[in-house]
Amino acid sequence: GQQLNQSPQSMFIQEGEDVSMNCTSSSIFNTWLWYKQEPGEGPVLLIALYKAGELTSNGRLTAQFGITRKDSFLNISASIPSDVGIYFCAGQEGTGGTSYGKLTFGQGTILTVHP
Amino acid sequence: AAGVIQSPRHLIKEKRETATLKCYPIPRHDTVYWYQQGPGQDPQFLISFYEKMQSDKGSIPDRFSAQQFSDYHSELNMSSLELGDSALYFCASSETGPLTEAFFGQGTRLTVV
Repeated sequence: GQQLNQSPQSMFIQEGEDVSMNCTSSSIFNTWLWYKQEPGEGPVLLIALYKAGELTSNGRLTAQFGITRKDSFLNISASIPSDVGIYFCAGQEGTGGTSYGKLTFGQGTILTVHP
Repeated sequence: AAGVIQSPRHLIKEKRETATLKCYPIPRHDTVYWYQQGPGQDPQFLISFYEKMQSDKGSIPDRFSAQQFSDYHSELNMSSLELGDSALYFCASSETGPLTEAFFGQGTRLTVV
């Protein structure tokens, strides 16, 4: 099946710093999503990207859908302690029928923010 | 806003027992997905349902089965539990369509002892 390579695996940063993480795939996805997960909780959707080249912001978060549809990045600006968690990229094939929600996840990026 | 509701939140079972996990999707969402997340792993797709019919199947063991009911809630039935089945099980729901997003529940933590 399709696999997503997410990097970096973990990041340790100081409060106020900017963060960047990315995902690449050998296959094309029609939708890219970025989720944040806290321990013992479900993934929470941060940003959804639907068009190649699309750049979308959500507060301090900015994500882009790569022009080749095989990659995406997520930036977090001016990090704060509550940004701590695991960030997952997920690709959605969505080529038709009812498979829109079937997601393939990256391995996750563990973010630690030091005050 | 209403979210995806999963029950129970925690479940402890012994080996070879059975377990049933329940998922109540967001109102008006007609599609339900089940994912399994092992410790330190990313969520893995198990199975999905649209309008009470199985729509897609991932890496779901034969010991597991699932269904979606007329009120769109779904249940994941797990039999002959093994230690390796210990994981977080997430349900997600979405509306069907090209620009839809899957929203996840808080998960059920299953521990097999």
